[in-house]
Amino acid sequence: GENVEQHPSTLSVQEGDSAVIKCTYSDSASNYFPWYKQELGKRPQLIIDIRSNVGEKKDQRIAVTLNKTAKHFSLHITETQPEDSAVYFCAASLPSGSARQLTFGSGTQLTVLP
Amino acid sequence: EAQVTQNPRYLITVTGKKLTVTCSQNMNHEYMSWYRQDPGLGLRQIYYSMNVEVTDKGDVPEGYKVSRKEKRNFPLILESPSPNQTSLYFCASSLGGLVAKNIQYFGAGTRLSVL
Repeated sequence: GENVEQHPSTLSVQEGDSAVIKCTYSDSASNYFPWYKQELGKRPQLIIDIRSNVGEKKDQRIAVTLNKTAKHFSLHITETQPEDSAVYFCAASLPSGSARQLTFGSGTQLTVLP
Repeated sequence: EAQVTQNPRYLITVTGKKLTVTCSQNMNHEYMSWYRQDPGLGLRQIYYSMNVEVTDKGDVPEGYKVSRKEKRNFPLILESPSPNQTSLYFCASSLGGLVAKNIQYFGAGTRLSVL
């Protein structure tokens, strides 16, 4: 089955700096890679996603890159703000219709220091 | 409003006392899933269901049961809870089927403590 590893487990950055979270996956058949943000006491919510036929996707201050050959993908947050502080989860999904869908990484606690 | 609703939000129980956590979605999603969230371990899948009457084990199914008699409901059953099942539980649903994105919509979570 799919295995997703996520690093680092904790990350502290100064407000305004950039943050990068990296994930690797094991199953080359995975073709969809979402990122979820979970604020304290809240449910995980999708913030950005990328499909395997795309190398990079950007949405304002958030971007995701995918390297299919190396089987890794990364989340980039620029100009970080205190409200970016949260736990971020990456995930990898096998093609639709597969018996198993999303496999999550173990999460990264991002703290943006004012 | 499209949502995934799980109840209760908080539950304290004792070892061995059967309990059920309900989950309901109003988006006509085919795929539903239960996760548990523990510090440092992320979200681990307990059980999932591809459709009505179709369920399968995830990564950590021991001690749990599920059923999918209706499309909208996917209850999680702990027949004999033990302290190691103390955790934060999330139900999630997604469109499933032949779609390009398996976007999961999560419920608000159920914090369970087993004494």
